[in-house]
Amino acid sequence: QQQVKQSPQSLIVQKGGIPIINCAYENTAFDYFPWYQQFPGKGPALLIAIRPDVSEKKEGRFTISFNKSAKQFSLHIMDSQPGDSATYFCAASIGAYNTDKLIFGTGTRLQVFP
Amino acid sequence: ETGVTQSPTHLIKTRGQQVTLRCSSQSGHNTVSWYQQALGQGPQFIFQYYREEENGRGNFPPRFSGLQFPNYSSELNVNALELDDSALYLCASSAYTSPGANVLTFGAGSRLTVL
Repeated sequence: QQQVKQSPQSLIVQKGGIPIINCAYENTAFDYFPWYQQFPGKGPALLIAIRPDVSEKKEGRFTISFNKSAKQFSLHIMDSQPGDSATYFCAASIGAYNTDKLIFGTGTRLQVFP
Repeated sequence: ETGVTQSPTHLIKTRGQQVTLRCSSQSGHNTVSWYQQALGQGPQFIFQYYREEENGRGNFPPRFSGLQFPNYSSELNVNALELDDSALYLCASSAYTSPGANVLTFGAGSRLTVL
């Protein structure tokens, strides 16, 4: 049973485009929603995270949009660059002390072409 | 400040064998978590260790076991290897300090192939 569903599986955009990656969840007890970025041969690294009491969070070119009623959240990458080419994972967890016990989505492979 | 280091980076085992993977946590971190990442999938939580005790476990059988040492380093042991155990095993450390502060720092992983 997959608790966090992520789409699309892969995404190709031109430099400067705005790729959008979507995640949906069922468990309303989730209260922490991070996005991780993974480059080939590396472990995932935290990119940005949000809690359900806000609808949007921006950090640099990365924005999370959160829709609590729809149980969906998405990652937007503004002015995408070839260096953003990586696999992106959404995740979720339950409980203030459990932000390191994550349930991950299946990942989205993003390719940004010059 | 060193990050999370894992060893070995790659290894090949045969079905039924046992394997031990090792992890050194990031300086200042007292919690270690292990995740299994199958090819083309997201990481799956195996278990977490805090103060040398298991502090949460995912849906993995008992043949997956672990240890945390006083210096916060950790081992993952898998007995009776099965073909489906082939995956990238990721170790991640975090600082169990306050609510919401437990951010994972991952190592690059140990790639296990079971033949």
